[in-house]
Amino acid sequence: EAGVAQSPRYKIIEKRQSVAFWCNPISGHATLYWYQQILGQGPKLLIQFQNNGVVDDSQLPKDRFSAERLKGVDSTLKIQPAKLEDSAVYLCASSLNGLAADTQYFGPGTRLTVL
Amino acid sequence: RKEVEQDPGPFNVPEGATVAFNCTYSNSASQSFFWYRQDCRKEPKLLMSVYSSGNEDGRFTAQLNRASQYISLLIRDSKLSDSATYLCVVNRGSQGNLIFGKGTKLSVKP
Repeated sequence: EAGVAQSPRYKIIEKRQSVAFWCNPISGHATLYWYQQILGQGPKLLIQFQNNGVVDDSQLPKDRFSAERLKGVDSTLKIQPAKLEDSAVYLCASSLNGLAADTQYFGPGTRLTVL
Repeated sequence: RKEVEQDPGPFNVPEGATVAFNCTYSNSASQSFFWYRQDCRKEPKLLMSVYSSGNEDGRFTAQLNRASQYISLLIRDSKLSDSATYLCVVNRGSQGNLIFGKGTKLSVKP
């Protein structure tokens, strides 16, 4: 079974530029998550989708971050404009139904460096 | 108080050693608990769920104490391949919103 796919794997941009990340979850998984992992920290949830609806975006910096999952499958996360502190690994994860006990499967992540 | 706090690392142990990781969480309403493993520059992967009765998977034993809001992971007979960062994870509510600890790095030496 194919895992969670993400692209690109690496991205280097200058501050104030924009960037977009793409995620394709495991087939049949209704719930999709975007996490930010800063070096030396655990992943922090940015946004959770259930199908094409947002369940939780309380920790998403909405002045610069946006995300969508228009058809309830693939998702994109955008940062515009980027700041130095956005340098991190952006992880996408999916789970079957989004229940608390469900296993979340993570993609390989996109490593973003903002110069 | 942070939502999930873990032992500061790193832990450097010889092969064959037994090592224990501890974790505390602040939200008494949390219902689901996990240990994830993250290899260097890789994504986190579920190691095991943690149940109130305690559970074991081979050399790994997880314990939960709800009264103390404390979670532990014990690794017996450490292998070189156990070297990784171990993340304590707690759910925030009923929707699978997970809170990760900072992680504890384990290095198993020959």
